[in-house]
Amino acid sequence: QMQLQESGPGLVKPSETLSLTCSISGDTLHSYYWSWIRQPPGKGLEWIGYIYYTGSTVYNPSLKSRITISLDTSKNQFFLHLTSLTAADSAVYYCAKRQVFLQDYHFDYWGQGIRVTVSS
Amino acid sequence: EIVLTQSPATLSLSPGERATLSCRASQSVSSYLAWYQQKPGQAPRLLIYDASKRATGISPRFSGSGSGTDFTLTVSSLEPEDIAVYYCQQRGIFGPGTQVEIK
Repeated sequence: QMQLQESGPGLVKPSETLSLTCSISGDTLHSYYWSWIRQPPGKGLEWIGYIYYTGSTVYNPSLKSRITISLDTSKNQFFLHLTSLTAADSAVYYCAKRQVFLQDYHFDYWGQGIRVTVSS
Repeated sequence: EIVLTQSPATLSLSPGERATLSCRASQSVSSYLAWYQQKPGQAPRLLIYDASKRATGISPRFSGSGSGTDFTLTVSSLEPEDIAVYYCQQRGIFGPGTQVEIK
């Protein structure tokens, strides 16, 4: 059974960069797409972006200028870097496996989430 | 860009009642719609994909229907463990969610 686990800082200062890691167990990165999704406190879900195991990426246009998603196949991990943080970036950040189905996709495995607060 | 609208915002029902949740897309998405359940303090869990296909391990009490712009998630007989927010999703877009409460 595949499992995903987010790790990183719980508190980051405004204007700094957030770096999160998603560690995958029970399967490998290969042949799959991997996503980051976030949820501000008391609000809904926002898709951030995804990366294919080859390294190709697609980002949410609203965040594109501040995001980098990368991966390390040797460690079975993928990463999120989000720059120029503001309080609006405070959220629970989830990593998830993006499952392609025909011309669509959904998210079939999720990490438990990591709460990130942006505050000085 | 597609916009997903969910109704009602909150649904309050008694145990054993049938819950019907709606998701409407601003333009046709064929059958490409998924549903998730998020319980308090937990990550979302995939329930339904491709409008009507149950994900692995999901109870048959959950069913999905619809195509084009109008979709429905039905919980045939509500149980206390079904208290959650339910989201629909189409590609990179999520609906705002429906909160299901037990009376």
